[in-house]
Amino acid sequence: DAKTTQPTSMDCAEGRAANLPCNHSTISGNEYVYWYRQIHSQGPQYIIHGLKNNETNEMASLIITEDRKSSTLILPHATLRDTAVYYCIVRVRKSGGYNKLIFGAGTRLAVHP
Amino acid sequence: NAGVTQTPKFRILKIGQSMTLQCTQDMNHNYMYWYRQDPGMGLKLIYYSVGAGITDKGEVPNGYNVSRSTTEDFPLRLELAAPSQTSVYFCASSYSGGAGGNQPQHFGDGTRLSIL
Repeated sequence: DAKTTQPTSMDCAEGRAANLPCNHSTISGNEYVYWYRQIHSQGPQYIIHGLKNNETNEMASLIITEDRKSSTLILPHATLRDTAVYYCIVRVRKSGGYNKLIFGAGTRLAVHP
Repeated sequence: NAGVTQTPKFRILKIGQSMTLQCTQDMNHNYMYWYRQDPGMGLKLIYYSVGAGITDKGEVPNGYNVSRSTTEDFPLRLELAAPSQTSVYFCASSYSGGAGGNQPQHFGDGTRLSIL
C-alpha cells in the first residue's frame, strides 16, 4: 500500500492561501489521493480527492504532479476555522471492493490572525 | 441531515467489562467501517462491511466483534475490555458506486472510550 509523507505542522495567516504538500512516491496507477481534515475532537471531514487531474471544489483545490508522486492541497483563503489536522491519504481499492484509507499522522495547520 | 450517528459519545469501562458501540447511517451507504484513533496518531481500521450480512477484519481486529444485520446499523462490540482499548472510535460509511468506486467516506463524531 502506498504511504504518504506530510510535514508535521504548518502555519498560515488568516486570509492567505494555505498550501499543504504531500509526497506519495510509491503510488500506483489506480490509486486515488484523498484529503481529509480533522478539527479538534470531531470526526474526519472529507475535503477533496483526485486521480491525476487537478481538482477544485467549494472547499479547496488539489494539484497533483504529472508523475503523481506528490500533491498539494490549497485552501485559497484560510480562516481560523480551517485550523485542523489535514490528512493526505492514498486510497487502495482492496479485493472485495472496499476502499482502504491509510491514515498517517497528518499536518497540523494553525491559522492565525 | 443526520449522516453517521454514533452513541454513546463518552464511556468509561472497567477492565473485563463488555459494551457495544452503536453506529447508524441514514445515507443508504452499503459500505461501513470502524476505526480507532489513539492520541496523536492517525486512524486504524478495525473492521469493515461491504453490505448487510458481510463483514471482514481490518488492520487491528483483535478484541473486537461486529455484525451487520441491516444496511443502516454497524455495531462494534468489546467483549473483555482492556486498557489498550482506550481510544476514540470512529464509524464511517461510503457508497460503492461511482467510477472506480471512489466515493468518499463519511465519518461520525466518535465515541471516546476509557478503560480503567
